[in-house]
Amino acid sequence: KNEVEQSPQNLTAQEGEFITINCSYSVGISALHWLQQHPGGGIVSLFMLSSGKKKHGRLIATINIQEKHSSLHITASHPRDSAVYICAVGGNYGGATNKLIFGTGTLLAVQP
Amino acid sequence: GAVVSQHPSWVICKSGTSVKIECRSLDFQATTMFWYRQFPKQSLMLMATSNEGSKATYEQGVEKDKFLINHASLTLSTLTVTSAHPEDSSFYICSARPRTGYAGANVLTFGAGSRLTVL
Repeated sequence: KNEVEQSPQNLTAQEGEFITINCSYSVGISALHWLQQHPGGGIVSLFMLSSGKKKHGRLIATINIQEKHSSLHITASHPRDSAVYICAVGGNYGGATNKLIFGTGTLLAVQP
Repeated sequence: GAVVSQHPSWVICKSGTSVKIECRSLDFQATTMFWYRQFPKQSLMLMATSNEGSKATYEQGVEKDKFLINHASLTLSTLTVTSAHPEDSSFYICSARPRTGYAGANVLTFGAGSRLTVL
């Protein structure tokens, strides 16, 4: 079982729909990251959070530390949101500080 | 905002040659940089943690003699794939964390990645 699990693996939505991507983890963390990877491969950090909720434009990220679960929401989705969304948890693993463990990603396709 | 430049963005080389990939923090000093590898349709895997002025820390299963990492300054880390073979073909990506005290010290910034194809 992976230490970071994401669901769904693939998601197709119509433009304007509200989208939710889930992330569950089984290890202790100092922070959880949501990343966006476009087809060319470049990665953009969307959020880093350790508690509560953060909002940036149409993106909202929440985390429940007790349940070891985080969600990324996209409101009013647009085709340009199409990308792979990756959840990663950070902590001190194997003696290494600030190491990230990545989920396998969610491939989102928003159709016009 | 923090910007990390990675070069080259793609490279094709013959088997047996060495390839160097550079990761530069353009507007901040990074005491720590991370190197990842991503195979098609798979997630990123941390290869090593690069600390300025000291030896890199490699993850289990990563050959330190094959993947040479040098972090000679606070703005530059390099990954050299030595004697590359087709199985080394992958997408390599770096990230950097600003040193403590910088406004974005907790933000991890990624380079655009380098796609290596070994023939």
